[in-house]
Amino acid sequence: NAGVMQNPRHLVRRRGQEARLRCSPMKGHSHVYWYRQLPEEGLKFMVYLQKENIIDESGMPKERFSAEFPKEGPSILRIQQVVRGDSAAYFCASSQQLNTEAFFGQGTRLTVV
Amino acid sequence: DQQVKQNSPSLSVQEGRISILNCDYTNSMFDYFLWYKKYPAEGPTFLISISSIKDKNEDGRFTVFLNKSAKHLSLHIVPSQPGDSAVYFCAATEGRYGNKLVFGAGTILRVKS
Repeated sequence: NAGVMQNPRHLVRRRGQEARLRCSPMKGHSHVYWYRQLPEEGLKFMVYLQKENIIDESGMPKERFSAEFPKEGPSILRIQQVVRGDSAAYFCASSQQLNTEAFFGQGTRLTVV
Repeated sequence: DQQVKQNSPSLSVQEGRISILNCDYTNSMFDYFLWYKKYPAEGPTFLISISSIKDKNEDGRFTVFLNKSAKHLSLHIVPSQPGDSAVYFCAATEGRYGNKLVFGAGTILRVKS
């Protein structure tokens, strides 16, 4: 089952370091979404990308966070100068078209120490 | 401002009985609603959805009811099975935004055998 692949599954970073989270969408999917789940909360939308384009980044913090989905390779969510409050589970989802079902990856659990 | 609310953090049900999970929303522009199931350390898995033009959608043991006037939806699972024990998330979206989902905080369902 070649589902949405996220890596790493677990990532530990010290405060001030950079975190890079990768997401390979399902085969044939060109729409990628990133969500963040803080402890005891639901998932919160961060950003929606298509190949080489950011379509909607209304859920992304204005500073330190960036996302890309290059023509080749996985989508990357990058967090610079991480702080303890960035500790969360980050989920990626992909869909084939805009309004078709999105499939989620298993998530990356980021811990900032 | 929580646009999607799941007011019951947890629910415990006996195997074979009905499980009813509730969800309320505030944004009248939402026109598509979904339920996801999530096991620990895994990503959300799509369960069932309903468009705002319908008031009921059924798929096997799972039925979702939508009451637009009350801005309320519910997921019925009957009969409940121990394997249904998981966190259930209600999500909503405005169709034109595709998979930019707004999630509730989730309800932990425990089905006792």
